[in-house]
Amino acid sequence: GAGVSQSPSNKVTEKGKDVELRCDPISGHTALYWYRQSLGQGLEFLIYFQGNSAPDKSGLPSDRFSAERTGGSVSTLTIQRTQQEDSAVYLCASSPRLGTGELFFGEGSRLTVL
Amino acid sequence: KQEVTQIPAALSVPEGENLVLNCSFTDSAIYNLQWFRQDPGKGLTSLLLIQSSQREQTSGRLNASLDKSSGRSTLYIAASQPGDSATYLCAVPLTGGYQKVTFGIGTKLQVIP
Repeated sequence: GAGVSQSPSNKVTEKGKDVELRCDPISGHTALYWYRQSLGQGLEFLIYFQGNSAPDKSGLPSDRFSAERTGGSVSTLTIQRTQQEDSAVYLCASSPRLGTGELFFGEGSRLTVL
Repeated sequence: KQEVTQIPAALSVPEGENLVLNCSFTDSAIYNLQWFRQDPGKGLTSLLLIQSSQREQTSGRLNASLDKSSGRSTLYIAASQPGDSATYLCAVPLTGGYQKVTFGIGTKLQVIP
């Protein structure tokens, strides 16, 4: 596609349920990032992929959070046993290759945990 | 650890004014600096990217400057318009094999018609 695509755009779930958020980066972009943005807050780094590898998982808030990337393309962020504090907008960005640093963002997935 | 600060946090100006947004960072070993705008409920849209070897970049009414030695960047918006109303963020990746990008919290701009 022309840009970074994220789905779903909105997700409302009940506390304790698992959710999956998907990111489809720009074709050919090898670097992929997940960020979280809580209401009125800045962007919180979650995880970074170079190809299918995640050299830095330091931003994942807890072991309920996991992410994978397959085929050097699509990435899935999974949140298990969701809590109300997980409510936020989850943003995905991709970058052409390690070294340029230029980021291209998707529109985000807004997660609401009731 | 890189820390990025944006001042002011919010700004309200009448249409037509020229304005300056500031971004400061603590670690000058940066690869580049990128300015974004974010409209409410939307993702981030890239405005300008300044490589670490550059001093400034221009796009239309926008001009961004970079002073690595002092750890500062400014975004200059000429002849502001109501459509410029948004939150503006700067992003600073460090040099090295892995680019962990640190964002400022942003400046929320309102341009009043």
